[in-house]
Amino acid sequence: AQTVTQSQPEMSVQEAETVTLSCTYDTSESDYYLFWYKQPPSRQMILVIRQEAYKQQNATENRFSVNFQKAAKSFSLKISDSQLGDAAMYFCAYRGDRGGGSNYKLTFGKGTLLTVNP
Amino acid sequence: EAGVAQSPRYKIIEKRQSVAFWCNPISGHATLYWYQQILGQGPKLLIQFQNNGVVDDSQLPKDRFSAERLKGVDSTLKIQPAKLEDSAVYLCASSLGTWRRGRPYEQYFGPGTRLTVT
Repeated sequence: AQTVTQSQPEMSVQEAETVTLSCTYDTSESDYYLFWYKQPPSRQMILVIRQEAYKQQNATENRFSVNFQKAAKSFSLKISDSQLGDAAMYFCAYRGDRGGGSNYKLTFGKGTLLTVNP
Repeated sequence: EAGVAQSPRYKIIEKRQSVAFWCNPISGHATLYWYQQILGQGPKLLIQFQNNGVVDDSQLPKDRFSAERLKGVDSTLKIQPAKLEDSAVYLCASSLGTWRRGRPYEQYFGPGTRLTVT
């Protein structure tokens, strides 16, 4: 079974600075997707960024970018120019892209709570 | 476009009581998911519907949990009888279709229902 590990339960960053959240995963598959979701206190999960495993280029979305290291099974999220509104719980998630059934389920890590200090 | 709606937002019950949660997905979304998110963990898929049929309910505790999506639109998740360990946030999500290779349909999440069992 696939597992997703987020080793940082909490992180903090000063407003306008950069922070990196870590994620590692375990899978025997070669085709899959990785995601970062943001969950603010309102509890609504919001997709931040997505990476297809077959793409070598790291995904970027405005101030959010990832460092995808397939061989190391590492998928970190970098938030640049941090804003107060970035404060939230961040979840790393994995989803297979082959085989169907349970392989298509989203598997989440335990999350990292990000605090942004003014 | 209206998002995924859930009600109630909060519910407190005593153990052995029953409770029901309601979800209305985004209009036109054929696939609906129920997740359980225990404090300090990422969401775990309980059940997935495609229209009004069940695609995956392998992690649903069927002795006490049930779910239905009778007309292929809104859905109800029920717990009867509730246990202390059922205290969690119950998230509903929807997507245009079921994930297929080459069709990475994004899931959109609702705000969740926080259940406390005392």
